[in-house]
Amino acid sequence: DIVMTQSPVSLAVTPGEPASISCRSSKSLLHSDGYNYLDWYLQRPGQSPQHLFYLAFNRASGVPDRFSGSGSGTDFTLKISTVEAEDVGVYYCMQTLQTPTTFGGGTKVEIK
Amino acid sequence: QVQLVESGGGVVQPGRSLRLSCAASGFPFSGYAMHWVRQAPGKGLEWVAFISFDGSNKDYIDSVKGRFTISRDNSQDTLYLHMNSLRAEDTAVYFCARDRTGSSGSLSDWGQGTPVTVSS
Repeated sequence: DIVMTQSPVSLAVTPGEPASISCRSSKSLLHSDGYNYLDWYLQRPGQSPQHLFYLAFNRASGVPDRFSGSGSGTDFTLKISTVEAEDVGVYYCMQTLQTPTTFGGGTKVEIK
Repeated sequence: QVQLVESGGGVVQPGRSLRLSCAASGFPFSGYAMHWVRQAPGKGLEWVAFISFDGSNKDYIDSVKGRFTISRDNSQDTLYLHMNSLRAEDTAVYFCARDRTGSSGSLSDWGQGTPVTVSS
């Protein structure tokens, strides 16, 4: 199975400041079709997860443009340009290159 | 808008069975692959099972193979997860999720989840 490792485990951010989350995979997620099969999700407290990005950097519907996804191969990053209070929760990366689909352990984002 | 409503969770003894349902609305159900994902108490997300739009292809995480069966009824816009020989480690909230496309693997929409507790 492809192992997904996220860092940091938790992050406390001042509103208006940027935040960055790293996700590393044990195998390259770059397919021969040129796409990186990496998604990002946010699970707000008490809620079900919501889709943020697919294929590494494509925003899902309704995701604000203060969020950006980048990376290729085995190293990926989710960035929030200016954190808002509603951004708190646990962020997960997930690979869909090969079965079984696997998630990272999550990064908990809190507001200072 | 897309709605996914899970039901069927509850408390069950080890070794027993349970069937989860996920009622879909707001989109052409028969055109999308579907997934089940679970989350053990206080833990992260774990993908459990996949079914193609027409039910012809299915896939499972190793720990549930031979015990769980994913199925769908496109005439009723409903997804199912039949869980047999339940174990304590199957205790989790179970989410159904819609694939972003026919079978991309991305999980574009999620239900609110239904809790399953396996305990004697």
